[in-house]
Amino acid sequence: DGGITQSPKYLFRKEGQNVTLSCEQNLNHDAMYWYRQDPGQGLRLIYYSQIVNDFQKGDIAEGYSVSREKKESFPLTVTSAQKNPTAFYLCASRGSGGPATTQYFGPGTRLTVL
Amino acid sequence: SQQGEEDPQALSIQEGENATMNCSYKTSINNLQWYRQNSGRGLVHLILIRSNEREKHSGRLRVTLDTSKKSSSLLITASRAADTASYFCAYTNAGKSTFGDGTTLTVKP
Repeated sequence: DGGITQSPKYLFRKEGQNVTLSCEQNLNHDAMYWYRQDPGQGLRLIYYSQIVNDFQKGDIAEGYSVSREKKESFPLTVTSAQKNPTAFYLCASRGSGGPATTQYFGPGTRLTVL
Repeated sequence: SQQGEEDPQALSIQEGENATMNCSYKTSINNLQWYRQNSGRGLVHLILIRSNEREKHSGRLRVTLDTSKKSSSLLITASRAADTASYFCAYTNAGKSTFGDGTTLTVKP
């Protein structure tokens, strides 16, 4: 899982609540990413950030928000506007070599809405 | 769908056999990468092939890329029970990576 940590590993949320998933990396990477994975499917990009204080929407950003105040941290908030938030959430980072470099993934957070 | 497609969706083989997985994509790419995911875990990078490369090897892994057909394949030779996992391709364009839905490989001892 490289130098990326995600917490918590499991998270339970009641409907209507916002929750924040943590992602921290000590790899000195500029770019960070949040993906959502549903059972039996691949990863879909929620948000990404290529540099501190800047981020862009991915393919499924609705109902999510992010911040990038520090290079090593890229927290994801799942808001009550997200209609179906139960999923496995993966954070990744990439070094300064751009798209030719690999992404390193955290261990993931499994979010369940009760 | 914007995502890549992989086939087969599931593959079951005996230990020692070779496993081949295919990936197709729809756009131009900078590179294509293959990842492995054990159940409930994060993804581990296996190999990257650039758009100007046709074949790449890493240990028991062999990746090919055919940009004219917009397809790639991953071959795992002499498979082991420990190779049991899901395998994903991801192609990169304009700084974003798009993942396929994966192939679930089961290697029976």
